[in-house]
Amino acid sequence: AQSVTQPDIHITVSEGASLELRCNYSYGATPYLFWYVQSPGQGLQLLLKYFSGDTLVQGIKGFEAEFKRSQSSFNLRKPSVHWSDAAEYFCAVVPGVNRDDKIIFGKGTRLHILP
Amino acid sequence: EAQVTQNPRYLITVTGKKLTVTCSQNMNHEYMSWYRQDPGLGLRQIYYSMNVEVTDKGDVPEGYKVSRKEKRNFPLILESPSPNQTSLYFCASSLGLNNSPLHFGNGTRLTVT
Repeated sequence: AQSVTQPDIHITVSEGASLELRCNYSYGATPYLFWYVQSPGQGLQLLLKYFSGDTLVQGIKGFEAEFKRSQSSFNLRKPSVHWSDAAEYFCAVVPGVNRDDKIIFGKGTRLHILP
Repeated sequence: EAQVTQNPRYLITVTGKKLTVTCSQNMNHEYMSWYRQDPGLGLRQIYYSMNVEVTDKGDVPEGYKVSRKEKRNFPLILESPSPNQTSLYFCASSLGLNNSPLHFGNGTRLTVT
């Protein structure tokens, strides 16, 4: 079955440290890839997306993600986290271009920031 | 401001009492969807709609109904709520293309006692 895996349920980093959140998917073709962030009490907000072209994409709030076809991964990174980055992060994948290809979400990674 | 608006934000009800959670978007989006979010289970799709008068079941449709009489509105109806429907609910919309990102509402926290 098609799936999106975020192997880390919780991650804790110190403010100012670098961050990498992992995402792997189980599709053969190049899917459409997304990262969303959910702050407490809020809905999900799009951080960035990848469809084609340059495999390193930039998003809002200083985040970036790199698509690696050979590893079926789309990891999210930030060079230096801020306390306001504490939130839950969701990787999402649309498997292909067919109209009935639905978006599939990972189960999320909750990011905790130490002062 | 482009947004998806859900109401109410919080709702406590009793088993069997019909309720409706409203969702409205002002972006002229064709696609709308309802999700529920539960700890450890992530986001699960309840129903979605590709356009007016077109609705389809998602992964967990049992116990829910939806309607799409107008493009902007997509209410979620629980005819006879049960405690296992206690959850955080999100409405989302998009242009409907596979590369179109979803825009989410701020959520409705429902408690059924």
